[in-house]
Amino acid sequence: AQTVTQSQPEMSVQEAETVTLSCTYDTSESNYYLFWYKQPPSRQMILVIRQEAYKQQNATENRFSVNFQKAAKSFSLKISDSQLGDTAMYFCAFLSSSGTYKYIFGTGTRLKVLA
Amino acid sequence: DAGVIQSPRHEVTEMGQEVTLRCKPISGHDYLFWYRQTMMRGLELLIYFNNNVPIDDSGMPEDRFSAKMPNASFSTLKIQPSEPRDSAVYFCASSWRGSGANVLTFGAGSRLTVL
Repeated sequence: AQTVTQSQPEMSVQEAETVTLSCTYDTSESNYYLFWYKQPPSRQMILVIRQEAYKQQNATENRFSVNFQKAAKSFSLKISDSQLGDTAMYFCAFLSSSGTYKYIFGTGTRLKVLA
Repeated sequence: DAGVIQSPRHEVTEMGQEVTLRCKPISGHDYLFWYRQTMMRGLELLIYFNNNVPIDDSGMPEDRFSAKMPNASFSTLKIQPSEPRDSAVYFCASSWRGSGANVLTFGAGSRLTVL
């Protein structure tokens, strides 16, 4: 069974600095999707970025980018120029492209951006 | 599109009462998921549907919980009778497998408090 591990329960970063959140996963499949979701204090779950495993190029969305290492089964999220509004819980998620259509979520990393 | 719509946003009830949570998925989405989020257990998948048919309900905690999807635009999660340990935020989410993007879109959640 696939698993997703986020080993950093909490992190903090100074405003305008860069922070990297780690995520590792376990699968025997070759094609799948990976996601990062943000949950601010308002509790709304918002998609931050997605990556398709067959694409070698790392996804980027404005200040958010990923470092996708397929062989290492690692999918870290880098937030550049951190802003106070980035304070949130961040969840990494995995979805098989061919097996059971079930999103597997990590336990989350609570990020606090300090002024 | 208005996104995934959940109601009520907040529900406070007494132990033993029936609770019904409602969800309207995004039009055209063929998968619907119910999640429960607590501090202790994180984000748990309760049940999910494909084209209105329940696919996996292994996450439903016990017989007190039931979910239905009578049509493509409506789903309910019912708890009867409710207990204090059911207090949590319940999320509904939907996705469209045929899109290729496979983005899971969440509703704003229903916060349930059982006294």
